[in-house]
Amino acid sequence: ETGVTQSPTHLIKTRGQQVTLRCSSQSGHNTVSWYQQALGQGPQFIFQYYREEENGRGNFPPRFSGLQFPNYSSELNVNALELDDSALYLCASSLVQGNSETQYFGPGTRLLVL
Amino acid sequence: AQSVTQLGSHVSVSEGALVLLRCNYSSSVPPYLFWYVQYPNQGLQLLLKYTSAATLVKGINGFEAEFKKSETSFHLTKPSAHMSDAAEYFCAVSLNSGYSTLTFGKGTMLLVSP
Repeated sequence: ETGVTQSPTHLIKTRGQQVTLRCSSQSGHNTVSWYQQALGQGPQFIFQYYREEENGRGNFPPRFSGLQFPNYSSELNVNALELDDSALYLCASSLVQGNSETQYFGPGTRLLVL
Repeated sequence: AQSVTQLGSHVSVSEGALVLLRCNYSSSVPPYLFWYVQYPNQGLQLLLKYTSAATLVKGINGFEAEFKKSETSFHLTKPSAHMSDAAEYFCAVSLNSGYSTLTFGKGTMLLVSP
């Protein structure tokens, strides 16, 4: 158990719709990262939030957006869904303290876009 | 930019045999290196991490990895495989701690036969 939870566990949407995925981080963790894991691939970094501000972004279009809240929860929003957005979406929380940081992953949300 | 190459998408071993999963990295600065394990339909669990302390890193479940700068490698080993080790293993690199992101390899599926 990593103390990181995600909801929902599975989701089916149709092309063009919008989706919101949620993550609850470990208490006290000030950083959350989101990753997309396509079938048969390693996770790809989407973006990271630190103290409720976006702190870095991978090679994903603006229709992928996020929020981080003071209660250690966060959201990933995807607009105008495309078939290629079908993937496992993972969030990872971490506490940045000096030179020590380990990212703890949630179980993921599996999104299927039809 | 950093990158990770995992040699072999699938590795098969017999129960009790040595496990060796290969990972080579590319990084312009001294990296931090990680091994994660993913069981079916689950998120990622941290096995071990290298953060510039000892080059031989011991992790959970009997796994260990050795950082070899001259070979830019961080191979994962376990002396004796168990059936429960069957899973997908991901090597990842980050440039530094704090505000860092993980770059993952494509993963290696470990198959353990009786």
